[in-house]
Amino acid sequence: QITLKESGPTLVKPTQTLTLTCTFSGFSLSTRGVGVGWIRQPPGQALEWLALIYWDDDKRYNSSLKSRLTITKDTSKNQVVLTVTNVDPVDTATYYCARNSRWSGRDYFDYWGQGTLVTVSS
Amino acid sequence: DIQMTQSPSSLSASVGDRVTITCRASQTISSYLNWYQQKPGKAPKLLIYVASSLQSGVPSRFSGSGSGTDFTLTISSLQPDDFATYYCQQSYTTPLTFGQGTKVEIK
Repeated sequence: QITLKESGPTLVKPTQTLTLTCTFSGFSLSTRGVGVGWIRQPPGQALEWLALIYWDDDKRYNSSLKSRLTITKDTSKNQVVLTVTNVDPVDTATYYCARNSRWSGRDYFDYWGQGTLVTVSS
Repeated sequence: DIQMTQSPSSLSASVGDRVTITCRASQTISSYLNWYQQKPGKAPKLLIYVASSLQSGVPSRFSGSGSGTDFTLTISSLQPDDFATYYCQQSYTTPLTFGQGTKVEIK
């Protein structure tokens, strides 16, 4: 059974750094083709992809936020961590982590965590 | 960045109706297109990957088609459990991008 779960603060002050952890089970981030991504959704709005890390430590970022994002993995702990620096109220959103799978060279998010709501406010 | 545009933004339909949602990419993305379903307060769920492959466990009334820039998600006979918001997503290149969503409501 594949599960992912996000954890981190529910409230962060503007200009602070947000650190989110995705803890997963049922698969290995050492397996070729596998990755873990972060996607967020502001209240009432659409999904926005943030970052993705692959089994081989290849990292991809949303260029619109790239300077503020860092994604890392700890394969032994089955965790992926996303940090977002210098947060602003517009970063208020539900943050999801999801497993990325690959078929015939094409990627898709096939398992998702339940999401964690992060509010940025002073 | 590749822009994904869904139409319509919302629709009202009855149980048993055939429903079609369209997704258009701002440039060609081959078959690098996925569809997700999201219910209020829940995480998105993968329905279709690589434009037309049905994810395991997803009912066969869902189908996807298209290639290049134009794609469709079809629900052949709408069921009560299908009232939700649907998103397309391209994985052709980063940044990965989603459509703005199509909300399917009960008529």
